Amino acid sequence: GENVEQHPSTLSVQEGDSAVIKCTYSDSASNYFPWYKQELGKRPQLIIDIRSNVGEKKDQRIAVTLNKTAKHFSLHITETQPEDSAVYFCAASTRGGSEKLVFGKGTKLTVNP
Amino acid sequence: NAGVMQNPRHLVRRRGQEARLRCSPMKGHSHVYWYRQLPEEGLKFMVYLQKENIIDESGMPKERFSAEFPKEGPSILRIQQVVRGDSAAYFCASSPPGGVPLSFFGPGTRLTVL
Repeated sequence: GENVEQHPSTLSVQEGDSAVIKCTYSDSASNYFPWYKQELGKRPQLIIDIRSNVGEKKDQRIAVTLNKTAKHFSLHITETQPEDSAVYFCAASTRGGSEKLVFGKGTKLTVNP
Repeated sequence: NAGVMQNPRHLVRRRGQEARLRCSPMKGHSHVYWYRQLPEEGLKFMVYLQKENIIDESGMPKERFSAEFPKEGPSILRIQQVVRGDSAAYFCASSPPGGVPLSFFGPGTRLTVL
């Protein structure tokens, strides 16, 4: 079945720096790759997503890149702020469709003021 | 338009009891998805339902777990004879037909089995 690896598991940056989180997936049929932000005790929130027919997508300070050949995708956060501190999860769709996502184990991002 | 609602938010059960988790989708959403999150883990797919139909339950354990989404009322995830390993956060999400499936998660139900 599909497997999603996420790195690093923890990431600490200074306010204003950039943060990059990387994920790899195993199923070449995957075609939808969302990213979620989850604050402690809260629900996961979809922050950006990308489909396999696109190589890059940007929304203000966040961007996602996708390399289908290498089966990896990355989240980039620029000009980080303390409120960006949270756990970030990548996910990939499966052959079952985008209703059935496989999630990475998460990256705990800490932005130090 | 209220978001996805889940209740209860916290549920404590003793081993062997039943747990019933409810999910009310957003207005106009007829698709519901249940995911489970163990402590410090990502979410894992359990089941995908449409009104009165189970579309995909491949992520749900065969024993003790069941789900339904009736024509009227919320979707229910039922866990019978709970064990300590069932302790987790259970999230549901909803979408309209043709919408992005996991755009909106509910606040979750945190189940603790004593």
